[in-house]
Amino acid sequence: EVQLVESGGGLVQPGRSLKLSCAASGFTFSNYYMAWVRQAPKKGLEWVATISTSGSRTYYPDSVKGRFTISRDNAKSSLYLQMNSLKSEDTATYYCARPHTMGITAFAYWGQGTLVTVSS
Amino acid sequence: DIQMTQSPASLSASLGETVTIECRASEDIYNGLAWYQQKPGKSPQLLIYNANSLHTGVPSRFSGSGSGTQYSLKINSLQSEDVASYFCQQYYDYPFTFGSGTKLEIK
Repeated sequence: EVQLVESGGGLVQPGRSLKLSCAASGFTFSNYYMAWVRQAPKKGLEWVATISTSGSRTYYPDSVKGRFTISRDNAKSSLYLQMNSLKSEDTATYYCARPHTMGITAFAYWGQGTLVTVSS
Repeated sequence: DIQMTQSPASLSASLGETVTIECRASEDIYNGLAWYQQKPGKSPQLLIYNANSLHTGVPSRFSGSGSGTQYSLKINSLQSEDVASYFCQQYYDYPFTFGSGTKLEIK
């Protein structure tokens, strides 16, 4: 059974940093692109980052480019999101997500999410 | 960036009815479209991928159709457990983008 478990969320002041983790199990982690998707309170979904199987390619929307870094450790079946220079608009539940199949496709598996609150 | 315009924003229908949610892309996304269901307090769940393929375990009353820039999700024979928010997403090109969502309620 595919499982994705996020951790690392919490309350952080504007301008500070936070690192999220996602522990994956139930599949061969190194075979799949992985992603982070966030959802601000009572709002819609926003894709945040995607990383290739080896980690050599990463993709971000303009809203987080230069501030967030996605990475992975295939030996540990773990995905990470380093978030720097946090802003109030980064307040959201952050989900780790795995595509339906190997390659770039819909997100078939989601974690339970971890809440990040950026506030002074 | 590809913009996804989803309609309606909210929808109220009776049990047993058929409902349709639409998504329009700002350019051709070549069927690189998914539909998700999200119940309150839960993570999103994949319903449809590649515009018209039903994800494993999803009831057959859900179906997706469309091509080019116009896509739709149809729910036949509405059930009480279908109360949720629904989102479309294009994954044809980066940055991936989502529609703004449709909140479905039972009348």
